[in-house]
Amino acid sequence: DSGVTQTPKHLITATGQRVTLRCSPRSGDLSVYWYQQSLDQGLQFLIQYYNGEERAKGNILERFSAQQFPDLHSELNLSSLELGDSALYFCASSVTSPANEQFFGPGTRLTVL
Amino acid sequence: AQSVTQLGSHVSVSEGALVLLRCNYSSSVPPYLFWYVQYPNQGLQLLLKYTTGATLVKGINGFEAEFKKSETSFHLTKPSAHMSDAAEYFCAVRSQTGANNLFFGTGTRLTVIP
Repeated sequence: DSGVTQTPKHLITATGQRVTLRCSPRSGDLSVYWYQQSLDQGLQFLIQYYNGEERAKGNILERFSAQQFPDLHSELNLSSLELGDSALYFCASSVTSPANEQFFGPGTRLTVL
Repeated sequence: AQSVTQLGSHVSVSEGALVLLRCNYSSSVPPYLFWYVQYPNQGLQLLLKYTTGATLVKGINGFEAEFKKSETSFHLTKPSAHMSDAAEYFCAVRSQTGANNLFFGTGTRLTVIP
């Protein structure tokens, strides 16, 4: 158990819909990262938040957005869903230092039908 | 920009045999390198990391990796494979542009044959 929790574990929805994925980081970790794992794109960084503020963006679509709340939990919002958005979405957290590892949650598996 | 390349999407070894999973990196600055393991239907777990110092890094479950700057490699090894080692392994390099996010390789699926 990494100490990072993600809900829900599975999500099935239809094209055009909007979903919200939730992540709670390890106690004390201020940084939260979101990654997408798909068969065709592999593991890709989406976005990072640090203590409530957006720190960096990766390959995140404009239809996707995220935020980090004062209690440090984070939410990833995916809208106007397409079939290609079906993937595993991981959240990771770390103490902010380049040498420190990122601890990954168990992921949310999103299926868009 | 940083990137990693994992050679071999699938590797099969016999139980008790040497495990060797290859990873080459590209980085314009000294890299921070990581190996993660992913068991079916689970998240990623850190096996080991290289930041600075000793180039031979020991990790969990008997795995180790050696950072070779001259070869830009960070191969993962284990002297004797166990059935429980069957999983997908990812090499990653940390971005050094400020975000500290990870750039992952495409992964290597390890099969252990009894």
